[in-house]
Amino acid sequence: QVQLLQSGSEVKKPGSSVRVSCKASGGSFNSYAITWVRQASGQGLEWMGGIIPNFGTANYAQKFQGKVTITADKSTNIVYMELSSLRSDDTAIYYCASAETSVSWIASWGQGTLVTVSS
Amino acid sequence: EIVMTQSPATLSVSPGERATLSCRASQSVNSNLAWYQQKPGQAPRLLIYGASTRAAGVPARFSGSGSGTEFTLTISSLQSEDFAVYYCQQYNNWLAWTFGQGTKVEIK
Repeated sequence: QVQLLQSGSEVKKPGSSVRVSCKASGGSFNSYAITWVRQASGQGLEWMGGIIPNFGTANYAQKFQGKVTITADKSTNIVYMELSSLRSDDTAIYYCASAETSVSWIASWGQGTLVTVSS
Repeated sequence: EIVMTQSPATLSVSPGERATLSCRASQSVNSNLAWYQQKPGQAPRLLIYGASTRAAGVPARFSGSGSGTEFTLTISSLQSEDFAVYYCQQYNNWLAWTFGQGTKVEIK
């Protein structure tokens, strides 16, 4: 089972961008689906999008089209999630998570990265 | 996009009692449904996948049922560690997944 380690907390200004990384180990990174899930304080889980590193093309939830970019670096087993045009309501914990395929349940979760957007 | 609707939003249950949580999909997801448990300050934990298969290490008091658009998670006899928020998630479409809004199971 793959283990996921995310980068640390970030504080950003409104209008800027943030990039969060997710390093995978212990599994077949290239064939897994790595996805991103957002959770604002006291709120539910929101699926943002995902990528299968072997294929390289990401899929995004409608809400996040044009807002988020997910990429994978197969040489380092790292998936990146970049969120642009940050607003205060983007303040949340961002989790990366993995599934064995694109039509599979989420078996592993990263520890979460808190992104705070504040002027 | 498939919309997942969970009910109730909050369920108040006494320890030892049975809890039944519902999840409805806006269109068929076959049996491509998972349930997760989340406790404060923690990442979610997989409980059920394939609508009814318990994940490794999940106690037998947790069971899942349903297919198509209607799903149920049952906790047969609530233990103190089961008070948490539960989410359903469909993974039927290729990387176009969605979560329900969650059901909070609280102590009555």
